[in-house]
Amino acid sequence: NAGVTQTPKFQVLKTGQSMTLQCAQDMNHEYMSWYRQDPGMGLRLIHYSVGAGITDQGEVPNGYNVSRSTTEDFPLRLLSAAPSQTSVYFCASSQGWRGYTFGSGTRLTVV
Amino acid sequence: AQKITQTQPGMFVQEKEAVTLDCTYDTSDQSYGLFWYKQPSSGEMIFLIYQGSYDEQNATEGRYSLNFQKARKSANLVISASQLGDSAMYFCAMRPNSGYALNFGKGTSLLVTP
Repeated sequence: NAGVTQTPKFQVLKTGQSMTLQCAQDMNHEYMSWYRQDPGMGLRLIHYSVGAGITDQGEVPNGYNVSRSTTEDFPLRLLSAAPSQTSVYFCASSQGWRGYTFGSGTRLTVV
Repeated sequence: AQKITQTQPGMFVQEKEAVTLDCTYDTSDQSYGLFWYKQPSSGEMIFLIYQGSYDEQNATEGRYSLNFQKARKSANLVISASQLGDSAMYFCAMRPNSGYALNFGKGTSLLVTP
């Protein structure tokens, strides 16, 4: 099925470990983004990309890296995990004005 | 920066009744889009409805309608004939024409009771 695929769905990390959250879309969307969702905070933008090779920071970028080597993939890297990064992470893609599609989310716990 | 405000942390409504979820926004852009998303307990983000700032008519999608008052900068979601399956978190979001990112409010938790 066409859409946004996020892996893994669940992950537990130890403080200081690094990992990559994967996001792939098969809709040829130019725009992709990463959000984190914390209780009572809504969704906050971490990083986004408007096309292959182009990325930019959102509202809460510290501790995260991204790259966009292809249109399809937009991985999010945690460089050195901290308990404050315990959250639910969503990837979203869009082509044009109104068609945002979200992945099913990754629930990350840092202990 | 754009700010989205949802003033109702939690709402209750009886089954088959209508409910309005409030959303106000702050932007200096003249052209923008407004969105509502539903997040059930399973966690996925489900798109409900979209309103463009230049749309003359209020958007409707089945039981969902958006009460758009541009001068007041409000975009309230109206759910008619509530169902038990409507119990979820609801998020209002805005995208300015000058950018790509969706800016979200903090959400409203809706509980539909029998």
